[in-house]
Amino acid sequence: DAKTTQPNSMESNEEEPVHLPCNHSTISGTDYIHWYRQLPSQGPEYVIHGLTSNVNNRMASLAIAEDRKSSTLILHRATLRDAAVYYCILRQGTNFGNEKLTFGTGTRLTIIP
Amino acid sequence: DTGVSQDPRHKITKRGQNVTFRCDPISEHNRLYWYRQTLGQGPEFLTYFQNEAQLEKSRLLSDRFSAERPKGSFSTLEIQRTEQGDSAMYLCASSSYQGGAHYEQYFGPGTRLTVT
Repeated sequence: DAKTTQPNSMESNEEEPVHLPCNHSTISGTDYIHWYRQLPSQGPEYVIHGLTSNVNNRMASLAIAEDRKSSTLILHRATLRDAAVYYCILRQGTNFGNEKLTFGTGTRLTIIP
Repeated sequence: DTGVSQDPRHKITKRGQNVTFRCDPISEHNRLYWYRQTLGQGPEFLTYFQNEAQLEKSRLLSDRFSAERPKGSFSTLEIQRTEQGDSAMYLCASSSYQGGAHYEQYFGPGTRLTVT
């Protein structure tokens, strides 16, 4: 499986944008980039995913580099409820699919009030 | 809209005892996954089912572990002869596989196992 590299931790002030980076230099052409987050004492939850183009949803935006070797999850206006561990995950895009999620250690995001 | 539920939420057992956990996925989800998470680490895949068929098992799933999904609905994960190294959070997830790779997995709150 292609690997991802994320900073261990980041801090951000409340109500400011947060940019969470992820490096995936060995990504293959069929790998999708997924982000999940895990709030304290909860199971992970899906945030967003993309292949080549930037993506937006109600939770966040995903900016993907042109060479796809890195991506950035953007929280436009962080709140205290966004404090969590954020995982960047690559998933194979074959029809059959690579069924398991391979989590790394993620980035622990702390929001400062 | 009920999410994935797991029971029990916490389990303390003595080394050598058997334990069984239950997971109820979101109804109509045909795929069900089990993961294990130790402190400070991300979840690690254990196994997954499509309907009642167990399609993949991780090498982490030793012969003391067994998982079932007999009717394609709820699933159980049993650990026999528990060891202290089995202490972890056991997470269940479900998804609705429609043939693409973009489906998200919905996770339950987990069962925290402590082996003393």
